[in-house]
Amino acid sequence: GENVEQHPSTLSVQEGDSAVIKCTYSDSASNYFPWYKQELGKGPQLIIDIRSNVGEKKDQRIAVTLNKTAKHFSLHITETQPEDSAVYFCAGPNDMRFGAGTRLTVKP
Amino acid sequence: NAGVMQNPRHLVRRRGQEARLRCSPMKGHSHVYWYRQLPEEGLKFMVYLQKENIIDESGMPKERFSAEFPKEGPSILRIQQVVRGDSAAYFCASSRLAGEEQYFGPGTRLTVT
Repeated sequence: GENVEQHPSTLSVQEGDSAVIKCTYSDSASNYFPWYKQELGKGPQLIIDIRSNVGEKKDQRIAVTLNKTAKHFSLHITETQPEDSAVYFCAGPNDMRFGAGTRLTVKP
Repeated sequence: NAGVMQNPRHLVRRRGQEARLRCSPMKGHSHVYWYRQLPEEGLKFMVYLQKENIIDESGMPKERFSAEFPKEGPSILRIQQVVRGDSAAYFCASSRLAGEEQYFGPGTRLTVT
């Protein structure tokens, strides 16, 4: 089946620093790459996504970059804040196979 | 526009009983997905349904588990003869079209005693 590998599994940063989470995928036909944020006790929420016809997309402090040749896409969070602490998941292909998740902790 | 609704939010069942989990997708969404999440783990895809049809059930155990999405009413995930290992959070998501962003419900936390 299709594989989605996500790294790192845990990430701890100081408030104000940047955080980067990376996912690699195996299905060349993938053309939709979303990132979800899950807070404790809640369902995942889409925070940003990108389609294969662009290489980068930004939304305030959050950005996603896509490298189709290398088959990976990354989530970038700049100027991290304590409220960014959560578990982040990438998904693909067809948005049904999720990465194992990254637990991000932002220390004040 | 209400989001994805799941009920019950918490469900306790004894071993051997049946669990029925309900999911009402967002208005206008005809694609429904079910996922299972164990504590401290990721989301495991179970089944993908479109109205009255199962599109992909490759992630669902062959025995005791079934899912439906009738023409009218919510999608139902049914677990027969529950065992302790079925204890998990079950999330439902919906999308307007296949391959578009999914919107998740708050989940049903199943505890099997």
